[in-house]
Amino acid sequence: AQRVTQPEKLLSVFKGAPVELKCNYSYSGSPELFWYVQYSRQRLQLLLRHISRESIKGFTADLNKGETSFHLKKPFAQEEDSAMYYCALLTVYQGAQKLVFGQGTRLTINP
Amino acid sequence: NAGVTQTPKFQVLKTGQSMTLQCAQDMNHEYMSWYRQDPGMGLRLIHYSVGAGITDQGEVPNGYNVSRSTTEDFPLRLLSAAPSQTSVYFCASRRGLGDRMENTEAFFGQGTRLTVV
Repeated sequence: AQRVTQPEKLLSVFKGAPVELKCNYSYSGSPELFWYVQYSRQRLQLLLRHISRESIKGFTADLNKGETSFHLKKPFAQEEDSAMYYCALLTVYQGAQKLVFGQGTRLTINP
Repeated sequence: NAGVTQTPKFQVLKTGQSMTLQCAQDMNHEYMSWYRQDPGMGLRLIHYSVGAGITDQGEVPNGYNVSRSTTEDFPLRLLSAAPSQTSVYFCASRRGLGDRMENTEAFFGQGTRLTVV
């Protein structure tokens, strides 16, 4: 069965420190993974996707198929990074696409 | 271009009442979905649609109905509200299945905070 697991509900780091948000997935097909972010009082929006191998707002995420992980990393956290982060997996079953989300991690950057 | 619009933003219902949460998108997206967001549970898929006239159940469909008579609209109906349906509801839309990367980004509405007392 397809599943996305974010083991940390809450993560708190100091400004300037490295941050890593963990995401593990379970999927029998070829995974297509995303990170979505929800800033305070804003709607959920795409942060980055593994297929584009991009860096957005200093964040990167590498797909590790061996460990079935897609951890989100940033070397130096900033206060504006405080938000709710969701890892998501796009699944295809009988021709229908579904986006499956993890439980979310609330990241707080302390000054 | 408004994107995905949800109404209302807030709603309080009494147990047993019915209501419809509205969702509209103006991007001509084929895929539309409804999620509920609960603390510690993340976003869970309620129902989804792959095009006008086609809907299917997600993870937590009980107590909810949907229809998709047009490409633009995807309303979510609560038939008889229960306190367990207290949640924040999000509607999302995406372009259809395909190889192009931009087809797979989901666009979300601003959410509807529903309280059932």
